[in-house]
Amino acid sequence: DIQMTQSPSSLPASLGDRVTITCRASQDIGNYLRWFQQKPGKSPRLMIYGATNLAAGVPSRFSGSRSGSDYSLTINSLESEDMAIYYCLQHNEYPLTFGSGTKLEIK
Amino acid sequence: EVQLQQSGPEVGRPGSSVKISCKASGYTFTDYVMNWVKQSPGQGLEWIGWIDPEYGSTDYAEKFKKKATLTADTSSNTAYIQLSSLTSEDTATYFCARDVGFWGPGTMVTVSS
Repeated sequence: DIQMTQSPSSLPASLGDRVTITCRASQDIGNYLRWFQQKPGKSPRLMIYGATNLAAGVPSRFSGSRSGSDYSLTINSLESEDMAIYYCLQHNEYPLTFGSGTKLEIK
Repeated sequence: EVQLQQSGPEVGRPGSSVKISCKASGYTFTDYVMNWVKQSPGQGLEWIGWIDPEYGSTDYAEKFKKKATLTADTSSNTAYIQLSSLTSEDTATYFCARDVGFWGPGTMVTVSS
């Protein structure tokens, strides 16, 4: 199975900050990487697909990038509504595997 | 508008089974696979498996092969997951997710005697 190592697990940040979350894939997954945002009591919301593409309705302060087997989600100018848990997902092969999640919280 | 409507919370006794539904609307049901994902309380996301509603073909993560059964009814545009031989480890929220891009609201399953 492909392991997705996500870091950090917790990320205290201030409003207006620029933050980056990273997932490292244990095998080649190409660009079959998605990022999800999950708020308490809600289902995950697709933010980024194809490693770098913004999903419909997602604010432009969110962006995705790739460097080799490292995939990153960056949020520019953090807003209060961005406080949530973020997960990466590889869907290059089955079984699909998620990162362990990053809890973004106000410092 | 794409919608996935999941059935309500379930309470199951240890050793019993529960069946959760996910009714799709706003798209052609047979055009997309339906995935199921488990989230234990306070934990991350685990992929359970997928079903192709058009052909009924399925695939499961190894740890769920004896736990979960995925089915689909194209006449009602509804996907189902049945969880068998319930234990406390099955207490979780279960999500259906169209192509793992659009998710249902989740169904909470509690295993309790």
